[in-house]
Amino acid sequence: DQQVKQNSPSLSVQEGRISILNCDYTNSMFDYFLWYKKYPAEGPTFLISISSIKDKNEDGRFTVFLNKSAKHLSLHIVPSQPGDSAVYFCAASVDGNKLVFGAGTILRVKS
Amino acid sequence: DAMVIQNPRYQVTQFGKPVTLSCSQTLNHNVMYWYQQKSSQAPKLLFHYYDKDFNNEADTPDNFQSRRPNTSFCFLDIRSPGLGDAAMYLCATSRDARPRYEQYFGPGTRLTVT
Repeated sequence: DQQVKQNSPSLSVQEGRISILNCDYTNSMFDYFLWYKKYPAEGPTFLISISSIKDKNEDGRFTVFLNKSAKHLSLHIVPSQPGDSAVYFCAASVDGNKLVFGAGTILRVKS
Repeated sequence: DAMVIQNPRYQVTQFGKPVTLSCSQTLNHNVMYWYQQKSSQAPKLLFHYYDKDFNNEADTPDNFQSRRPNTSFCFLDIRSPGLGDAAMYLCATSRDARPRYEQYFGPGTRLTVT
């Protein structure tokens, strides 16, 4: 039972444009959401997070949006850079409990 | 200055032959996690240690065990690997168990079972 779904296995974007990565979840009890980024041959690294009491969190070029009614999370990268090419994992947790990850989306930013 | 180190990076074992994967950390974090990630799937938490307290996930097979002899090291033991256990195994650490405390991941050990 996949509680966190990233339905797009891959995304290709031109350098300088916006990248939008999407994540859907089924458990309405999730109260904390995170994005991790993974380069080849490295472990995932934390990128940005959002609590369920907010609907937006911004950190430089990265913004995460949360739509609780739709159980939908998205990560916007503006402007996209070739160095952003990586696998992006969405993750969620309930009441400070373990993280549940999505399967990841491969982002390729073309120069 | 690697913070979470996993050895070996690639491990080949035979069907049914016990194997141990190693993780060490220089962050002095309280919590250490083991995840299993099969091809094109989400990382799945197997268990974690909060200090010396072991927390097993309900659906983690009995074939998987873990040891944490001290703060810095944590081991994943697979007693009798099956072909279905071939995966990337990720170790992670965090200062505390709550998700607000960032998890730091190692590069993973890719296990092949022949």
